[in-house]
Amino acid sequence: DGGITQSPKYLFRKEGQNVTLSCEQNLNHDAMYWYRQDPGQGLRLIYYSQIVNDFQKGDIAEGYSVSREKKESFPLTVTSAQKNPTAFYLCASSIGGTVSLSQGYTFGSGTRLTVV
Amino acid sequence: DQQVKQNSPSLSVQEGRISILNCDYTNSMFDYFLWYKKYPAEGPTFLISISSIKDKNEDGRFTVFLNKSAKHLSLHIVPSQPGDSAVYFCAASDGATNKLIFGTGTLLAVQP
Repeated sequence: DGGITQSPKYLFRKEGQNVTLSCEQNLNHDAMYWYRQDPGQGLRLIYYSQIVNDFQKGDIAEGYSVSREKKESFPLTVTSAQKNPTAFYLCASSIGGTVSLSQGYTFGSGTRLTVV
Repeated sequence: DQQVKQNSPSLSVQEGRISILNCDYTNSMFDYFLWYKKYPAEGPTFLISISSIKDKNEDGRFTVFLNKSAKHLSLHIVPSQPGDSAVYFCAASDGATNKLIFGTGTLLAVQP
């Protein structure tokens, strides 16, 4: 079955540490996205990538970094510069970088990051 | 600046009744609108969408209405079922950037 896999489901980080969240898709989608969900704030775009080896900052990119070395993979690193990293992180993908009316984005099941 | 707004954080309805979830937007250049459903600790799943050239789209129990002059869309669920209890996100697509902009979500609780 095609889909998006995010791992781990739960992640704990100490203050000052960098952590990397994994996102892998086997849908052959060109574009991938990272969103952050906080209570009362909906989904906010962190980074997105339309094609391999290219990515752009979203609305809240500070303190985060990404890479897109393979079409299937779009890992997100939460650096120590991110002031408030505790949140639910969602990865998504779409066909050809455009929004499909028939399905929009396909989302993974998310990673809950907690700073301890 | 919130381009997509869902002003009701929560909604409670009785099973079998109609649920109406509302969404307002500010950018007249949005060309597609989508609704997603999300359960706790899971990713959102696509529910229904509408193009800006239409004013209504129906899929089973779910209907989305678009009022472009008012920059308002709504999702109607009839009849509501307990399994519909979830957070519903409205999203809009800017054709120039191909990005989805999400509202803050509305938590729907359907009481048996």
